[in-house]
Amino acid sequence: DIQMTQSPSTLSASVKDRVTITCRASQSISSWLAWYQQKPGKAPKLLIYKASNLESGVPSRFSGSGSGTEFTLTISSLQPDDFGTYYCLHYNSYSGTFGQGTKVEIK
Amino acid sequence: EVQLVQSGAEVKKPGGSLRISCKGSGYSFTKYWITWVRQMPGKGLEWMGRIDPSDSYTTYSPSFQGVTISADKSISTAYLQWSSLKASDTAMYYCARRPGIAAPDDYWGQGTLVTVSS
Repeated sequence: DIQMTQSPSTLSASVKDRVTITCRASQSISSWLAWYQQKPGKAPKLLIYKASNLESGVPSRFSGSGSGTEFTLTISSLQPDDFGTYYCLHYNSYSGTFGQGTKVEIK
Repeated sequence: EVQLVQSGAEVKKPGGSLRISCKGSGYSFTKYWITWVRQMPGKGLEWMGRIDPSDSYTTYSPSFQGVTISADKSISTAYLQWSSLKASDTAMYYCARRPGIAAPDDYWGQGTLVTVSS
């Protein structure tokens, strides 16, 4: 099975900071990676699909990059509403694997 | 408007059976897969399995071979079922809509909290 490892587990940053979250796959997954944001008590929200494509309606301060085994989610200018836990997801036709999550706190 | 509406919270005893549901509306139910995801209290998201409602083809994560995913396309509803619950099944369960092979889950249900306790 493919394992997805996210880092860091938690991060605390100030409004307007640039924030980067990394997700590493245990083997190449091409670009089959998505990023989600989850707020407490809510369902996850899709931000990025196929590694670098911004989901409709998602602010342009969110961006994704990478392919193969290393991927990043970048928030170019952190906003107060960006708190929550971020997950990467590897998806293919048969299965899916989430990273363990990165909790983002606003200082 | 696309909606996935899940059944309400459940409290069950260990060893009991349970089926929770996820009803899709606002889109063609058979053109999208349904995925089920578990979130144990205070923990991360875990991919359980998915079904293609058009033909009921189902795949499961090896970690979740003990559950059954099914769908009734006539009423646009997918199900997640247990035959013998354990305390460790206590979790929030989400269903989500997946456009197909090349895309991840885009719309999610509100979640169903399952509590298994004696």
